[in-house]
Amino acid sequence: NAGVTQTPKFQVLKTGQSMTLQCAQDMNHEYMSWYRQDPGMGLRLIHYSVGAGITDQGEVPNGYNVSRSTTEDFPLRLLSAAPSQTSVYFCASSYSSGEGSPLHFGNGTRLTVT
Amino acid sequence: AQSVTQPDIHITVSEGASLELRCNYSYGATPYLFWYVQSPGQGLQLLLKYFSGDTLVQGIKGFEAEFKRSQSSFNLRKPSVHWSDAAEYFCAVGPGVYGNKLVFGAGTILRVKS
Repeated sequence: NAGVTQTPKFQVLKTGQSMTLQCAQDMNHEYMSWYRQDPGMGLRLIHYSVGAGITDQGEVPNGYNVSRSTTEDFPLRLLSAAPSQTSVYFCASSYSSGEGSPLHFGNGTRLTVT
Repeated sequence: AQSVTQPDIHITVSEGASLELRCNYSYGATPYLFWYVQSPGQGLQLLLKYFSGDTLVQGIKGFEAEFKRSQSSFNLRKPSVHWSDAAEYFCAVGPGVYGNKLVFGAGTILRVKS
């Protein structure tokens, strides 16, 4: 049981390049989300999904796109990377029903945009 | 708007000493409160959560937290700190028991000196 798997672990991009951060979970969780972590700011929600085909914006969605074609996968796309997107990105998932299910986090992707 | 304040950016305690990490929140509805821990290079792991009932909640690794509605606080405590507790700790508030759409504090880095 792998939990939440994020790839790659590290990535360096040049300004204007595009890339996709991958996230997969094998726990059959309905809810998935992307956060970015910046020093002194904690984690901020970028986008989230409550099930396949359903996505919505979080606190800081600009510059990022998501889609959810399957329950397992929730990729995050940067269409034109900017230095302000240098950050550590975390994917998280949980059940949307039932009691007390916490968010399960991946180990993060450290992205540097030069 | 909901927010979480962790007043202490860094805290240093001696091994074996007691620990209290502060967390204050602002939330318009019934808060669901969480504490997460992050070891270097890792994702976040849930320590404990509060939804309702007894205001003193027990978590993993010997941690506990007390919810005080009158003070809008949810402070994390441990009676005796171990060197392995050195990590970053995040307080978070959310709208539901499943930890969805959490708002995080900026984090407190705990250093343990021997």
